[in-house]
Amino acid sequence: DTAVSQTPKYLVTQMGNDKSIKCEQNLGHDTMYWYKQDSKKFLKIMFSYNNKELIINETVPNRFSPKSPDKAHLNLHINSLELGDSAVYFCASSQDGYYGYTFGSGTRLTVV
Amino acid sequence: KQEVTQIPAALSVPEGENLVLNCSFTDSAIYNLQWFRQDPGKGLTSLLLIQSSQREQTSGRLNASLDKSSGRSTLYIAASQPGDSATYLCAVLPTGGGNKLTFGTGTQLKVEL
Repeated sequence: DTAVSQTPKYLVTQMGNDKSIKCEQNLGHDTMYWYKQDSKKFLKIMFSYNNKELIINETVPNRFSPKSPDKAHLNLHINSLELGDSAVYFCASSQDGYYGYTFGSGTRLTVV
Repeated sequence: KQEVTQIPAALSVPEGENLVLNCSFTDSAIYNLQWFRQDPGKGLTSLLLIQSSQREQTSGRLNASLDKSSGRSTLYIAASQPGDSATYLCAVLPTGGGNKLTFGTGTQLKVEL
């Protein structure tokens, strides 16, 4: 009964391709996030959606486009993948952050 | 801009030792601080959440303290076990809205038999 689930867990693709990562939470939280963990294991926020509305959009290439069809889902679409996009992408959710964050298990993206 | 630092970056201890992991943050205007563990190739598991009005939280062998005015938190692990081996991350949630959780640099812990 996973709280925040991401698919796929692993994604290997060639440069120039377009790919999507899906995230779903069953916690009833209003806010969902995408974080990127780089090769040095540092986690940095990319996007945040509150009840389907974009509220945080960090300095991320516009090849990355989040989409939230409803408050339980937040997908990440990446166009024209580059080698530097290789990283682990984590989805998370919270109820205004006060009760803490819950993270998914991550999607390891490898661009070759 | 909030910066979160964790010391040490890596730590190796024999089984059974008590140990302390440190987390410091530059801006004391925080809502709360959360400690996570990350196992290799896995996601983040929440360990403890301390609200800004609290001084400490305990869960089993783990105890986390928070000194907001000095910008510090510590995670105390009692009687360490090999299963505690993981990377430990602290993260702060700033006040002022935005829900932008800022992570520390992490401490990689290895507990040896």
